[in-house]
Amino acid sequence: KQEVTQIPAALSVPEGENLVLNCSFTDSAIYNLQWFRQDPGKGLTSLLLIQSSQREQTSGRLNASLDKSSGRSTLYIAASQPGDSATYLCAVSTDSWGKFQFGAGTQVVVTP
Amino acid sequence: NAGVTQTPKFQVLKTGQSMTLQCAQDMNHNSMYWYRQDPGMGLRLIYYSASEGTTDKGEVPNGYNVSRLNKREFSLRLESAAPSQTSVYFCASSEMGPPEAFFGQGTRLTVV
Repeated sequence: KQEVTQIPAALSVPEGENLVLNCSFTDSAIYNLQWFRQDPGKGLTSLLLIQSSQREQTSGRLNASLDKSSGRSTLYIAASQPGDSATYLCAVSTDSWGKFQFGAGTQVVVTP
Repeated sequence: NAGVTQTPKFQVLKTGQSMTLQCAQDMNHNSMYWYRQDPGMGLRLIYYSASEGTTDKGEVPNGYNVSRLNKREFSLRLESAAPSQTSVYFCASSEMGPPEAFFGQGTRLTVV
């Protein structure tokens, strides 16, 4: 069974620092990996989707890498801002239907 | 642009009561999902529907039933609510190839 782990569970950084969030998975036979942001009491907002054939995806200050062989993905957020404070979740799917296995998330606080 | 809409947003039930959570999407996606999110845990898949007319169990289906009413709507029913079903419930939809998931705002359910 696919297991997804996110370490650390919580992270606090001063504004302007780069954020590095880690996601690891046990089965390298994934179809794709998706990073989400969740604000308190809200739903999930999709940040980046990486297909299994890709090594990375970028959107603005966000960059996500994927290394299937080692079972890892990393989300980089450059020049963090207080508005980046949220919980970040990664999820992997192992088929084309999109059934995702989620990590428990990393709670990020960016202090002014 | 509504995306995925869930109703209600909040609900309190007494043990043994029944209720139906509603979900509708306007993105013409074939696949729809119900997840639950509990503190300290990632989202766990309850049921999914790969296409209109089909439904399948996910990781934690016990105590729930679903109906894929049409392509737009996917409902989740609790026949006899239990305190262990206190959770935040999320509906999601996606299209195949690659399956990027889009989530609703969630339903916060408390069973007392």
